[in-house]
Amino acid sequence: QVQLQQWGAGLLKPSETLSLTCGVYGGSLSGYYWSWIRQPPGKGLEWMGEINLSGKTSYNPSLKSRVTISVDTSKKQFSLKLSSVTAADTAVYYCARVSVGTATTGTPGFYYYMDVWGKGTTVTVSS
Amino acid sequence: QSVLTQPPSASGTPGQRVTISCSGSSSNIGSNTVNWYQQLPGTAPKLLIFSNNQRPSGVPDRFSGSKSGTSASLAISGLQSEDEADFYCATWDDSLNGPVFGGGTKLTVV
Repeated sequence: QVQLQQWGAGLLKPSETLSLTCGVYGGSLSGYYWSWIRQPPGKGLEWMGEINLSGKTSYNPSLKSRVTISVDTSKKQFSLKLSSVTAADTAVYYCARVSVGTATTGTPGFYYYMDVWGKGTTVTVSS
Repeated sequence: QSVLTQPPSASGTPGQRVTISCSGSSSNIGSNTVNWYQQLPGTAPKLLIFSNNQRPSGVPDRFSGSKSGTSASLAISGLQSEDEADFYCATWDDSLNGPVFGGGTKLTVV
């Protein structure tokens, strides 16, 4: 059973760069997208971006100028960097595996869902 | 302001059936399948329903999903105290070219 284990600095000062890594255990990187989602205190979920095995990335337009997601296939890890953080970036950050494709049985058509999640990393931005 | 609209709260008594709605538009729910996530207090979200009405292995059949037009619903029958959680709907948005979430619904079992 695939498990995601994530780590990184939990306390940052404004203008610093957030850096988190997510390790994939018990499964392959191939055939999936690997995503980062965040949740500010008391608020809902926000998709930040994703990457696949080939390094193809997609980012939330609202964060695109500050976000970089990369993958290290040899270590089975993918990482998130968010530059120039402010207090508004204080949140729990989750990594997740994304299943995406086109179904021909069940409910036909395009499907996209996050089926495995990391436990989350609390990141606080404070001076 | 979330792209998908959910009621902020819902409640029910043990054994009751409750439904949670999720409203979107033609660029998201109207043209793509809907997923539901359950987030128990202090934990990461968990996939509850995918592709409108499919349950991952291990999810009880008390949970069911449906979609019609630009709206979707999650139904929970035989409500249990351990069902208290936040529930989020999600889907792909063709205009934003990315996944979008609802604002979440806090379910209370009274």
